[in-house]
Amino acid sequence: DAKTTQPNSMESNEEEPVHLPCNHSTISGTDYIHWYRQLPSQGPEYVIHGLTSNVNNRMASLAIAEDRKSSTLILHRATLRDAAVYYCILRDAVQGAQKLVFGQGTRLTINP
Amino acid sequence: DSGVTQTPKHLITATGQRVTLRCSPRSGDLSVYWYQQSLDQGLQFLIQYYNGEERAKGNILERFSAQQFPDLHSELNLSSLELGDSALYFCASKGLYRNTIYFGEGSWLTVV
Repeated sequence: DAKTTQPNSMESNEEEPVHLPCNHSTISGTDYIHWYRQLPSQGPEYVIHGLTSNVNNRMASLAIAEDRKSSTLILHRATLRDAAVYYCILRDAVQGAQKLVFGQGTRLTINP
Repeated sequence: DSGVTQTPKHLITATGQRVTLRCSPRSGDLSVYWYQQSLDQGLQFLIQYYNGEERAKGNILERFSAQQFPDLHSELNLSSLELGDSALYFCASKGLYRNTIYFGEGSWLTVV
């Protein structure tokens, strides 16, 4: 499984944008970039995924570098409920049922 | 609510005992995944089933086994329990043509 690198922790203030970086220099052409988050005492929750183009949904935006070796999850206006561990994961698009391999993720703290 | 149901939510048992954790996937999802999350190991993939057949195996101990039944629900059996098996066990499921994996709320196992 291709590896991703994320900062161990980040801190931001409520109602401000948050940019969570992820490096994946060994990404292959068929790897999707997935983001999941895990709130305290809950199971991981899907946030967003993309292949090459930037993606937006109701939760967040995903900005993917042109060379695909890095990506950034953007929370446009953080709330206290966004405090969680965020995981950046690569999944091979060819092997559709492939498991998710979780790293250590980034623990995001939101200050009121 | 992810649609993935896990029972029991909490379980306390003694060393040497055997327990069974149950998972009902989202309606129609053929793939079921089991993960273990302990404080010092993060989220570890254990095993995956697809439509009743074992598809992938991760860091699953020989004392642990799983199966997926014809109605697609799955059970994770943990035997000869040790203190170190205390953890949160998550089940997840995925549909055939979907990219998203949905996680249940987990089963907290405490071995005393």
